Amino acid sequence: LAKTTQPISMDSYEGQEVNITCSHNNIATNDYITWYQQFPSQGPRFIIQGYKTKVTNEVASLFIPADRKSSTLSLPRVSLSDTAVYYCLVGNAGNMLTFGGGTRLMVKP
Amino acid sequence: GAVVSQHPSRVICKSGTSVKIECRSLDFQATTMFWYRQFPKQSLMLMATSNEGSKATYEQGVEKDKFLINHASLTLSTLTVTSAHPEDSSFYICSADRGEPTDTQYFGPGTRLTVL
Repeated sequence: LAKTTQPISMDSYEGQEVNITCSHNNIATNDYITWYQQFPSQGPRFIIQGYKTKVTNEVASLFIPADRKSSTLSLPRVSLSDTAVYYCLVGNAGNMLTFGGGTRLMVKP
Repeated sequence: GAVVSQHPSRVICKSGTSVKIECRSLDFQATTMFWYRQFPKQSLMLMATSNEGSKATYEQGVEKDKFLINHASLTLSTLTVTSAHPEDSSFYICSADRGEPTDTQYFGPGTRLTVL
């Protein structure tokens, strides 16, 4: 199973763009990259998923270089409510997805 | 779509008793369901993977006789913590997927278990 490495924590201010990078050097050919957000005492919430290049939805963008050994989650103009733990996972349907340590994002006013 | 529920959301029990946690996929059929445990300030740890109609596959170090998993239908999986002890107090989260190649896991809201 591909292991992921993320920064333990990040601080930002309201209105800024936040980029969280995840390393996954052993990603398999059929693995997808999925990012989740988790608030305290809640289950993880799906943010975005991609396989290569760039994916954008209404809440975030995901940048994946050609070698797919890393990915960057971009949150535009964060607000206080974006304070959470963000997890990067690699895998595909039917495969258990292993959670790494996640990145604790603190958004300050 | 793709909503997963858990019941109860929180439970307090006495040491030595058993507790059952239900995980339901409300609007889809779940080929596979997963059970995770999360201690405070830590990441989610996969406990077991269950497929409908077959025995669960447990992660190394997880006692299958203590954490009984039943996946009787494509929309319901249960986790029973038998003879619970205070060290079993944790946040238990289930997830499910639809078995589609590009699909993701859909997580339940979690169940907070406190064993006195």
